[in-house]
Amino acid sequence: DIQMTQSPSTLSASVGDRVTITCRASQSISSWLAWYQQKPGKAPKPLIYKASSLESGVPSRFSGSGSGTEFTLTISSLQPDDFATYYCQQYNDYPVTFGGGTKVEIK
Amino acid sequence: QVQLVQSGAEVKKPGASVKVSCKASGYSFTGYYMHWVRQAPGQGLEWMGRINPNSGGTNYAQKFQGRVTMTRDTSISTAYMELSRLRSDDTAVYYCAREANWGSSWFDPWGQGTLVTVSS
Repeated sequence: DIQMTQSPSTLSASVGDRVTITCRASQSISSWLAWYQQKPGKAPKPLIYKASSLESGVPSRFSGSGSGTEFTLTISSLQPDDFATYYCQQYNDYPVTFGGGTKVEIK
Repeated sequence: QVQLVQSGAEVKKPGASVKVSCKASGYSFTGYYMHWVRQAPGQGLEWMGRINPNSGGTNYAQKFQGRVTMTRDTSISTAYMELSRLRSDDTAVYYCAREANWGSSWFDPWGQGTLVTVSS
């Protein structure tokens, strides 16, 4: 199975900060990576697919980059609605696997 | 709009089985794979498997082979996930999630989740 490792596991930031989350795959997954946002008690919401494509309706302050084994999710200017947990997911191969999550907290 | 609506919360005893339903609307049910993902309390996301609603063909994560069965009823656009021989560590929220595009296994949308509690 392809292992997905996210860092950091927790991130404390303030409104307006630029935030970067990293996701590393244990082997190359080309660009077959998605990012999700999850809030407590809710289902994950897709933000980014194919590493850098923004899902419809997602604010442009979210962006994704990377290919192969190294990927990043960047929030250019953190907003109050962005405090949540973020997961990466590879879909290059089965089983589909997720990173362990990054919780973005208020500083 | 595209929507997945899951059945309600369940409480089961160890050793029992649970069957969760996921009713799809707003799109052609047989045109997209349906996946199941679970999340234990305070933990991350774990993929369980998928079903092709057109053919009924399934692929399961090795961890759940022999305990999970995914089925569908195309007449009512509903997918099902049954997990047997439940243990306490099966306590989790179970989500159905539609493949966003055929052959591209990222997920959009997701159902609202079904909490399954396994307790004696």
